[in-house]
Parts: sequence; structure tokens; C-alpha cells
Amino acid sequence: GAGVSQSPSNKVTEKGKDVELRCDPISGHTALYWYRQSLGQGLEFLIYFQGNSAPDKSGLPSDRFSAERTGGSVSTLTIQRTQQEDSAVYLCASSLNPGNYGYTFGSGTRLTVV
Amino acid sequence: ILNVEQSPQSLHVQEGDSTNFTCSFPSSNFYALHWYRWETAKSPEALFVMTLNGDEKKKGRISATLNTKEGYSYLYIKGSQPEDSATYLCASRNRDDKIIFGKGTRLHILP
Repeated sequence: GAGVSQSPSNKVTEKGKDVELRCDPISGHTALYWYRQSLGQGLEFLIYFQGNSAPDKSGLPSDRFSAERTGGSVSTLTIQRTQQEDSAVYLCASSLNPGNYGYTFGSGTRLTVV
Repeated sequence: ILNVEQSPQSLHVQEGDSTNFTCSFPSSNFYALHWYRWETAKSPEALFVMTLNGDEKKKGRISATLNTKEGYSYLYIKGSQPEDSATYLCASRNRDDKIIFGKGTRLHILP
């Protein structure tokens, strides 16, 4: 597709359940980021993938969070044993060359943990 | 400064007036400064990417400047229109590819 695609767009889950969020970046974009925005907060960095390099996981808030990127393309963010504080909009962004082109964001997944 | 800070947090501007707001970022290990426009229920849209001290970029009525030595960038909007209502985000990227976003300036244009 022409843009970054995220699915699902909305997810309501019960506390304690696991969820998977998917990001399809723009074809050929080597850099992929996950961010989240909680209510009233700014964008919080979660994880960064660049080509075949080891991902920068320094922003993951706990070991319940994990992400992978298969074949340098699609990425999945997994949250295990969800908690209410995980409720947020999860945004994915990809770029070919961030220094020159910036990032293209997906429309996000709104996660609500009840 | 260790974080990216934007001010003001919220701003109300009369239609037709010009306005500006600030992004402060760590000046050490700096690589690039990004501005995004984020409308409610949409994804952030890239406005500018600036890398060099003194850079100025312009897109229609919106322009931005960059001072990498003191670690700040200004975003200017001339002759505000209702469609300018949005949250304006800045993000600083360092040479280790770490990108930190500010919390944004929420701009409301009053008719």
C-alpha cells in the first residue's frame, strides 16, 4: 500500500489477556518505530528497528511488551497480561531515510484495557 | 535539556492572527529536528525535517527555524485559518537514531 497500515484500528481487551498489534510499513522502508500515546501524554518511544540491526528496545516499559519484525517488513507488537495502564494509542512509523524524509505514521491502534 | 519540551502546551489564536511556538531539545549529539502536524483521529503528518544550524523551512503559511547550538526550534503560522487547528509535535533525533517527541502544542483557531 501507499502508507503505513496498522491493525486493528481499535481493540478492547480484558485485563490479563494478551494482545497483538500489527504494523505494515511502506515497502522498502528500513526504519520502523513503535510509539504510544497515553491520555494526556506525549508520544512515548517503545522500540526501533533498523534493517538487520538488533532492535533498540530501550523504550519498552516492561517485560510484558515485546516486538518483532519479520523479513524486515511487517512488525508485531505483543503485550502480555494487559493492564489498564496499557490503554493508549499505539502508533507505528516507518522511514526510508529519516534524516531526509522524516517518518510516515500509521493511523494507530487504540487499545482499551477494561 | 534531556527531553524535548514544547511550549505552550495549548494555544488559542484568533483566525487571521499569526502565532508561533517553541521546541527545545538536547543540543548534544543532535542529528535532526522534525515537526509534525497531528489532527484528531488522523496520524501525524510530517511538516519539516531540519538538520543544520540556521535552517529555515517554509510550507505555505507555516515556517520553522532551527538553532542547534542552543537547542531550540520555532514554528510559525502566518494568518491562522481554522484548518490549522491541530497538535503540532516536534521530535529530536540524535546520532544514535534515538528519537524523542515532545508532548506537542495544541493549537485552537477561534473563528
